[in-house]
Amino acid sequence: SQQGEEDPQALSIQEGENATMNCSYKTSINNLQWYRQNSGRGLVHLILIRSNEREKHSGRLRVTLDTSKKSSSLLITASRAADTASYFCATVWNTGFQKLVFGTGTRLLVSP
Amino acid sequence: DAGITQSPRHKVTETGTPVTLRCHQTENHRYMYWYRQDPGHGLRLIHYSYGVKDTDKGEVSDGYSVSRSKTEDFLLTLESATSSQTSVYFCASSAGRETGELFFGEGSRLTVL
Repeated sequence: SQQGEEDPQALSIQEGENATMNCSYKTSINNLQWYRQNSGRGLVHLILIRSNEREKHSGRLRVTLDTSKKSSSLLITASRAADTASYFCATVWNTGFQKLVFGTGTRLLVSP
Repeated sequence: DAGITQSPRHKVTETGTPVTLRCHQTENHRYMYWYRQDPGHGLRLIHYSYGVKDTDKGEVSDGYSVSRSKTEDFLLTLESATSSQTSVYFCASSAGRETGELFFGEGSRLTVL
């Protein structure tokens, strides 16, 4: 498979807790992106991290990238019930046309 | 947010019939994509377009064709629908290679009986 693999497949936490999702990939990348998908909706872009970056923040989101291990993590701090969604990592390969290759996602449930 | 609309949003059809899904974007994005989403597989790229009349295959293109006659419209056609093509189809667009961010439509749920 050429997809990224997210871990865990499902995560259940309480409001206020932090949620960490991991993504591993196989090929050399140009950048890695994280998307959120609410049930029955389209995907929404959250954050992009380039291959020469190691960490990036956006509001309550923190993304890290370790190209030597071909892995990334998404941390959502102080989770809210509204964060309940599926989260996907997507990699942009380092060669050829920019195509995003998506992983299978992590389903996050944040309980009040 | 980029304006991307898909139609129809839901469709039930029978095996062997042709189906066309439409995607319309109002952002003048150059690049457009069709993905399918299935449980356990995430999103898989079917076809993409890098300009008017310029298209190429993705990883799961068999049984699908696309056309792009205008910047704003990208059509996905299932020439002869099969039950294995039951899925949720997403259209996406992006402004350019450097940004990388994709804007998605709300999806089209297709059921092939």
